[in-house]
Parts: sequence; structure tokens; C-alpha cells
Amino acid sequence: DAGVIQSPRHEVTEMGQEVTLRCKPISGHDYLFWYRQTMMRGLELLIYFNNNVPIDDSGMPEDRFSAKMPNASFSTLKIQPSEPRDSAVYFCASSFMPAGGSYEQYFGPGTRLTVT
Amino acid sequence: ELKVEQNPLFLSMQEGKNYTIYCNYSTTSDRLYWYRQDPGKSLESLFVLLSNGAVKQEGRLMASLDTKARLSTLHITAAVHDLSATYFCAVENTDKLIFGTGTRLQVFP
Repeated sequence: DAGVIQSPRHEVTEMGQEVTLRCKPISGHDYLFWYRQTMMRGLELLIYFNNNVPIDDSGMPEDRFSAKMPNASFSTLKIQPSEPRDSAVYFCASSFMPAGGSYEQYFGPGTRLTVT
Repeated sequence: ELKVEQNPLFLSMQEGKNYTIYCNYSTTSDRLYWYRQDPGKSLESLFVLLSNGAVKQEGRLMASLDTKARLSTLHITAAVHDLSATYFCAVENTDKLIFGTGTRLQVFP
């Protein structure tokens, strides 16, 4: 399996522009998580989905952030309008829970976002 | 609210030495995970601890879980430079993980 795939790997944009980050989870995984990592705030859970349905979006910082999962193999995280304080590395992770198993998460390579 | 605390936050140690990273959490959970992150890279799963008393070892790293004390440890034996990274513990909370702040480990000659 190719693992969790994220695109783009790097994104540089100007303040006020719309940014869309993309994620393809591991095939067969039914959970998908979006995280943000910064030096100041560490690793933060933004939102997660189960079977394409958002379960908890309490970590989404504000209305400028939105996430969708239209099908089991694709999710997007959108920031509109972007601000310099959104600069961070955004990770997508996926997991599934086999009988008697665990919720171990597998992380994608991340998207490094810079907003100038 | 479940809180996960790691200490130390930063650890600088000499090659060949032993040390332990601690992970404390605030509410009941029977499952704990350790991840490693190299600079500029993603998080990689190291250990999955699924019950009280669980112990896992891989090379110079050994992880253990005491659910009664709400404590996990990551023990490093005879450190080498390749172990330099940030280590995160994460506690399972229903169907998601709550991550600690991370411990940045630097191993020097």
C-alpha cells in the first residue's frame, strides 16, 4: 500500500487567498484525521471523520477552515481566506479498528503551508 | 478533558547512556501509542501498548504501560545518534488519539 497520500507537499500563498489541502487515506481505513503542527502549539487535532461523516470538528480554529470527505478515498481541508498565522504543517492520518485491534493512526507526509 | 503530559520536553544525552521518557495522562485509558518524528518528517508509529503491564521492545527502545498509575515510559538503552528525534506518546480516547507535547531527544558523541 502507498500509505496516506497528501498534496501538495509544499504550498506558499499570499494572505487572503484560498488554500486547499488534499488527502487520500489508506484503502480500507474508515477514519480520517486532520492535524496541524506548529512550534508554538504542537500537534493539534482539527477534525476527524468516520465513514466519511465528520465526528468532531471542535479543533477547527475558526470559520475560515472547512473540511470535507466526499468519499472513502478523498478528503480536503480548505482555508479561506488564509492568514499568516495559518502557516504550519498540516498532517492527514487514517486508521481502522479491526476486531480486538487498536486505533493506531498512520500519518501522511504532511503539507507545509506558508502564508505571506 | 483528557490531558497527556510528557517529560522531559527536551533531552540532550551522550551516546552510550541510558534514559527514560515519561508519559502521564489524566483519565482512564488502557491503550497507549508511541510515535517518532524526525526533523521535517512525518510521525511514524513505534509501539502500540494495548493493556496494563504491556511491554514492547525494538532495538534500543523499550516501552511499557501502567494503566493504574496512568503512566507509560519509553526507555532508551545505550543511546546512539540515530535515535535523535522527537518522541510523542498518545492516549486512546474513544476512537481518537490525544497526543502529548513531545520529547525532543538529541544524542551527541
